[in-house]
Amino acid sequence: KAGVTQTPRYLIKTRGQQVTLSCSPISGHRSVSWYQQTPGQGLQFLFEYFSETQRNKGNFPGRFSGRQFSNSRSEMNVSTLELGDSALYLCASSLAASAGDKQYFGPGTRLTVT
Amino acid sequence: KNEVEQSPQNLTAQEGEFITINCSYSVGISALHWLQQHPGGGIVSLFMLSSGKKKHGRLIATINIQEKHSSLHITASHPRDSAVYICAVKTSGSRLTFGEGTQLTVNP
Repeated sequence: KAGVTQTPRYLIKTRGQQVTLSCSPISGHRSVSWYQQTPGQGLQFLFEYFSETQRNKGNFPGRFSGRQFSNSRSEMNVSTLELGDSALYLCASSLAASAGDKQYFGPGTRLTVT
Repeated sequence: KNEVEQSPQNLTAQEGEFITINCSYSVGISALHWLQQHPGGGIVSLFMLSSGKKKHGRLIATINIQEKHSSLHITASHPRDSAVYICAVKTSGSRLTFGEGTQLTVNP
């Protein structure tokens, strides 16, 4: 089975622009979670989607949004980029969203905002 | 205070040494992950625990739910074990809350 894939792997944007990142889960997985990793804050939860519905959202401003499609692929969007949005964005998929489900991480998208 | 605390933050060992990384948490959890992150960013889930002990090769993970504590042990450490090890707790759904990570360096 192919693992979790994320595109693009690297991205450079300018302050004020917007960006869309994509995550394709492992085949059969219906839950996708997104995380942000920065040197200062570490890994932080952004949001979780299951069957096209957002189930959980972390403490991020409304500039951060996401969605999930019927094939379980997910996108996250960041509008009006700020320098502090420079980070590694990771997605993880699991079969469902229950306690017993292990999460599998993608390689991440490294976003640099200049 | 962070909900998930790891110690130590940095650890340097000689090849062959037994290594222990500790994780304490203050919230109710449904499961705990031990994750490994190599330079470049990729994260691998080593273990997911909700009770007891799990072993995979030279790696052993234990959890004590009553004490809200987990440990990751590496026996006969090797330079290829050098990585950041992260403890993460699952609170609701698939939401993970992470510790700050332990940077492990194993010297030959």
